[in-house]
Amino acid sequence: EAQVTQNPRYLITVTGKKLTVTCSQNMNHEYMSWYRQDPGLGLRQIYYSMNVEVTDKGDVPEGYKVSRKEKRNFPLILESPSPNQTSLYFCASTEVGSDTQYFGPGTRLTVL
Amino acid sequence: AQSVTQLGSHVSVSEGALVLLRCNYSSSVPPYLFWYVQYPNQGLQLLLKYTTGATLVKGINGFEAEFKKSETSFHLTKPSAHMSDAAEYFCAVSPYSSASKIIFGSGTRLSIRP
Repeated sequence: EAQVTQNPRYLITVTGKKLTVTCSQNMNHEYMSWYRQDPGLGLRQIYYSMNVEVTDKGDVPEGYKVSRKEKRNFPLILESPSPNQTSLYFCASTEVGSDTQYFGPGTRLTVL
Repeated sequence: AQSVTQLGSHVSVSEGALVLLRCNYSSSVPPYLFWYVQYPNQGLQLLLKYTTGATLVKGINGFEAEFKKSETSFHLTKPSAHMSDAAEYFCAVSPYSSASKIIFGSGTRLSIRP
C-alpha cells in the first residue's frame, strides 16, 4: 500500500530536549515536505526537499532542521524545542511533475 | 506572491442542504488550485484540483468547485450534505503544476446538523 508514515504520532517533551520526528514514504517520490498546522493558521511549510541531499526552507523554518540522506526518508529535527513549537506536524510527498501531495497521518507534539 | 483566504472558519449546515465553502486567492501567475479535506485525527486528502482546462472541477464524494478568474475565487460546493462530510476543508494555491510549493488557507470546519 502506498503511504507516508510518521513516527511518533504523539510526543510530549520538555523545552530544550532534542527530538526527531521521522517520515518515510514508499512511493519513490522525489519531493518531500514538512508542514505544521496551527488553529486558525492552516498548514505552513517548514522545509522541503526536491531530492536526496537537496533541501530548502519553507515559510517557517526557524527552530527546525531536516536532512535527506535517502530518498524515502525525510526526518524533522528540533535541536532545542520550545513551547511555541507545540503543534500538529505533517509530512507529505509528491512525484516530480505531479500536482498531488500525499500526506502522512500527523504527529502531535507538545513542548512543555 | 500568492495567498489564500477562506471566508468563514466554521460553517454549519443541515443534512441534505447545500454546502458552500468559500475560497479566494491572490496570485501573480496563473494559479493551480486545490481543495483538501481533513477528517478528525487524519492527514489531508486531496478532494479536487484545478490545473488547466475546464473551470468546473468535480472531485470525490460529490464535491465540485468552479474556478472564476474574474472573481479570483474557487468555491467548493456540494448539493446535498451528508453527516460524513463533517471535516475541515483547506483551499490551497500553487504557482506550479507540481505540488512542490503550496500555500494553504486557514481552513473551514464544516459541521452537519441532523
